[in-house]
Amino acid sequence: DAGVTQSPTHLIKTRGQHVTLRCSPISGHKSVSWYQQVLGQGPQFIFQYYEKEERGRGNFPDRFSARQFPNYSSELNVNALLLGDSALYLCASSLGGTDTQYFGPGTRLTVL
Amino acid sequence: EDKVVQSPLSLVVHEGDTVTLNCSYEVTNFRSLLWYKQEKKAPTFLFMLTSSGIEKKSGRLSSILDKKELFSILNITATQTGDSAVYLCAASNSGYALNFGKGTSLLVTP
Repeated sequence: DAGVTQSPTHLIKTRGQHVTLRCSPISGHKSVSWYQQVLGQGPQFIFQYYEKEERGRGNFPDRFSARQFPNYSSELNVNALLLGDSALYLCASSLGGTDTQYFGPGTRLTVL
Repeated sequence: EDKVVQSPLSLVVHEGDTVTLNCSYEVTNFRSLLWYKQEKKAPTFLFMLTSSGIEKKSGRLSSILDKKELFSILNITATQTGDSAVYLCAASNSGYALNFGKGTSLLVTP
């Protein structure tokens, strides 16, 4: 069975641009969460979506937005990129009723 | 504010040694404690603990939770070079957001 997949693997953008990151959950999972991991730190929660509804949001500015599609895949959008947005963006999927989240390989975003 | 603290932050051991990684948490409405192993990118799920005092084991790895003292430990016996990774501890307080510690970087030398 395929695990969580994310695209693209790497991305280089310049300040002020916007970016869209994509995630496909494990088959049968209805919940997708997004995390940001900067070097040397643990992942930090950004959003969770369940059944296409936002279930929770972390302490991130409004430049960050996300959505979940009918097939349960998800997109994370970041507008007006800042140098500090450079990080590994991780997507995790879960069945929805449990706490066990399974992570994808991440998208490495570099903002120049 | 919810907080998860891991110690030590880094550790170097020789193959065959036993290591103990620590995780303390202060999380409102705590639900569960999870351990992950992160080698390059994707954190890989190891354990989820919800009950105090019940040890979970998987091969050479084991973990236990103390909900009274608000901590968990992850033990790795007979370490191998393939155990070298960052080990992340996360506490869940609501069923959706995981609050992670900074991780413990483990290096196992031959």
